[in-house]
Amino acid sequence: GQNIDQPTEMTATEGAIVQINCTYQTSGFNGLFWYQQHAGEAPTFLSYNVLDGLEEKGRFSSFLSRSKGYSYLLLKELQMKDSASYLCAVITPGADSNYQLIWGAGTKLIIKP
Amino acid sequence: ETGVTQTPRHLVMGMTNKKSLKCEQHLGHNAMYWYKQSAKKPLELMFVYNFKEQTENNSVPSRFSPECPNSSHLFLHLHTLQPEDSALYLCASSQAVAGLNYEQYFGPGTRLTVT
Repeated sequence: GQNIDQPTEMTATEGAIVQINCTYQTSGFNGLFWYQQHAGEAPTFLSYNVLDGLEEKGRFSSFLSRSKGYSYLLLKELQMKDSASYLCAVITPGADSNYQLIWGAGTKLIIKP
Repeated sequence: ETGVTQTPRHLVMGMTNKKSLKCEQHLGHNAMYWYKQSAKKPLELMFVYNFKEQTENNSVPSRFSPECPNSSHLFLHLHTLQPEDSALYLCASSQAVAGLNYEQYFGPGTRLTVT
């Protein structure tokens, strides 16, 4: 079966660094997304990884290891506004030459002063 | 503001009612999606439309009926729903569907409560 695991909830301190992990077991891999979703709002795109390594974008970085079925989102210099849920999603081949997007349940990140 | 709007934002309906959710995207995208989001569960992809043609129907019960009259508008018609259908319904759009490796832009969602 297809499965994506993320921690349910994490807590971190303002100004610190936090790493949110995502592990996946899927029948094939064609890319991985990270989205941010503030409470009561729409998910917004953060990053896309398809090759191994680290992609840096300002305070946020995303890492991928395809051999380990593992990704993480690294948030630096945490701000109160980073309190949100972070969703991991994996693209896998589906039936009939289509693709499917498998989503994790999300990690709720709580930032404390 | 993501360029994707949804109405209504909140909806309470009885199990015998018929209602419709509306989504509109102002981004010039060719693909549109309906998702169901329940508390502490992964997003569930319900329907995918590419250039107005439905390409995915992930075993969604027939009480949910999508309609895509053009690439900018998407509807979800609801009838004889069950209480377990209460959830946040999100609409999204992307430049294309091929490979699904285009970022998706989500609307704010419709919070549906079935009584």
